Amino acid sequence: KAGVTQTPRYLIKTRGQQVTLSCSPISGHRSVSWYQQTPGQGLQFLFEYFSETQRNKGNFPGRFSGRQFSNSRSEMNVSTLELGDSALYLCASSLGQAQYEQYFGPGTRLTVT
Amino acid sequence: AQRVTQPEKLLSVFKGAPVELKCNYSYSGSPELFWYVQYSRQRLQLLLRHISRESIKGFTADLNKGETSFHLKKPFAQEEDSAMYYCALNDGNEKLTFGTGTRLTIIP
Repeated sequence: KAGVTQTPRYLIKTRGQQVTLSCSPISGHRSVSWYQQTPGQGLQFLFEYFSETQRNKGNFPGRFSGRQFSNSRSEMNVSTLELGDSALYLCASSLGQAQYEQYFGPGTRLTVT
Repeated sequence: AQRVTQPEKLLSVFKGAPVELKCNYSYSGSPELFWYVQYSRQRLQLLLRHISRESIKGFTADLNKGETSFHLKKPFAQEEDSAMYYCALNDGNEKLTFGTGTRLTIIP
């Protein structure tokens, strides 16, 4: 079956702008999680959605938000971009329980100038 | 709050030598522990999880609750094992807490 897909793969934005990233999970997966990966902080959990509801949230400011649609596709939005938001944003999907594997997408590389 | 520590950022091992990637965790409950691997130019993928107790690509990892460790081991390293390895903990809420990763390089 098709893997997790993320669009766009690369993005360049200016400080103060906002951005929306998209993630399509593996068919049948109802949980979508988002992670930020930077050289300094590593992989950090942003939030997780399950059946259109945010179920878990990491320690990121309110500028980071997300949503999930009825087909399990998810979007992540970052408003008022800062230089420090430059990172690889990874999306992962799973069946929705702790013991199940999370399948990762290729990521969206966001550069804020 | 849970925490995962991978003390080695870089590890170089000769081909055919044993490999051990260290992972320690702190968590008050019963964790689900995983090792993820990222090969060059590929996406992050699951290598193994403690609950399945299986060996993948010759790698094994045993959960030691007394020492709060989940070290990854392989008796004989191969060149294709060169990659970035991440230890991760799931607290039961679908939130993975990752270690900072260890870059393993196998020297031919």
